[in-house]
Amino acid sequence: QLLESGGDLVQPGGSLRLSCAASGIPFNSYNMGWVRQAPGKGLDWVSYIDSSSTTIHYADSVRGRFTISRNNAQNSLYLQMNNLRAEDTAVYYCARLPRGDIWGKGAAVTVSS
Amino acid sequence: DIQMTQSPSSVSASVGDRVTISCRASQDITRWLAWYQQKPGEAPKILIYAASDLQSGVPSRFSGSGYGTDFTLTISSLQPEDFATYFCQQASSFPYTFGQGTKLDIK
Repeated sequence: QLLESGGDLVQPGGSLRLSCAASGIPFNSYNMGWVRQAPGKGLDWVSYIDSSSTTIHYADSVRGRFTISRNNAQNSLYLQMNNLRAEDTAVYYCARLPRGDIWGKGAAVTVSS
Repeated sequence: DIQMTQSPSSVSASVGDRVTISCRASQDITRWLAWYQQKPGEAPKILIYAASDLQSGVPSRFSGSGYGTDFTLTISSLQPEDFATYFCQQASSFPYTFGQGTKLDIK
């Protein structure tokens, strides 16, 4: 029901855009977000956007570098990641938040030279 | 930010055992707490939301309790498929924060 894409290997300082395609759910009525998990580590909330894109929040660690957005007509959620750092290396999940009942399978982002 | 502290960080148990995992919030989050199960290579799966509400399709051996700052996840009789890592998460205020996880493995 949620499928992430766009994960890749990128050099430090580079940019990447993740996409999350929704299907079979009323995406335009769901608040959504991104959660990441560094290799061997726990879960780390990244960003949140409400159903109408009116309310947006970021973790301090990504604020000013990452931008969350959505296109309800295309049932899609996005995460634009700029000025990437090694510590951004993780699997990125899109999920319905805060309800937490729907998650994608994740997209792997590796930041390394 | 609200800090979420889980205990223990790991636990060994046998099939049929009763297991309890605790989660403490650094400030009052009322009932804004969820519990997730995660297996290697998989996305997290929600078990409990609003501190004590069982997610549809989750076996009734899982239960949650608590209010305010102290919360508990209980597995009443462990099954082989329950060996995994468990996380709590608060959604009372931004930034949403997770506990560090509790790894449940076979004794």
